[in-house]
Amino acid sequence: DAGVIQSPRHEVTEMGQEVTLRCKPISGHNSLFWYRQTMMRGLELLIYFNNNVPIDDSGMPEDRFSAKMPNASFSTLKIQPSEPRDSAVYFCASSLTWLADNEQFFGPGTRLTVL
Amino acid sequence: AQSVTQLDSQVPVFEEAPVELRCNYSSSVSVYLFWYVQYPNQGLQLLLKYLSGSTLVKGINGFEAEFNKSQTSFHLRKPSVHISDTAEYFCAVSEGSSGDKLTFGTGTRLAVRP
Repeated sequence: DAGVIQSPRHEVTEMGQEVTLRCKPISGHNSLFWYRQTMMRGLELLIYFNNNVPIDDSGMPEDRFSAKMPNASFSTLKIQPSEPRDSAVYFCASSLTWLADNEQFFGPGTRLTVL
Repeated sequence: AQSVTQLDSQVPVFEEAPVELRCNYSSSVSVYLFWYVQYPNQGLQLLLKYLSGSTLVKGINGFEAEFNKSQTSFHLRKPSVHISDTAEYFCAVSEGSSGDKLTFGTGTRLAVRP
């Protein structure tokens, strides 16, 4: 299996632009998680889905952030409009189920820089 | 609410020396505990986890951790480290109720020197 796939690996954009990050989870996994990693705040859970349905989006920082999972093999995280403070590494992870004892498999991340 | 404290942001150690990375958690209910490792420019990878049973848990790459309920700790150890162990290590906790999410610590950077 190819593991969790994220694209792009690097994104540089200007403030005010729309940014879309993409994730393909491991086939057969029913849960998908979006995290953000920064030096200041560490690794934060933004949102997670189970069977394509958002379960908890309490970590989404503000209305500029949105996430969708239209099917079991694809998810997007969108920032519109982007701001310099959104610069971070964004990880997608998937697991067999949303139960807490399941291992989460992480993608390589997308490094976002907003100028 | 659950939380995780990793007391050391950075741990330098010489190759073949033993190492311990500390992790304390706070929770009012039973927990599941995890250690993940992040190599440079990569995503996180599970090292080991404690769900129940034996308090000494063995993981990949020769790492082990011990769950201590009275001290609310889950320290990670390795008796002899290698250069390739240089990475960021994250402790994480879940409160074990169905569907609860992971809360990660701030990470400890292990720097192994020759």
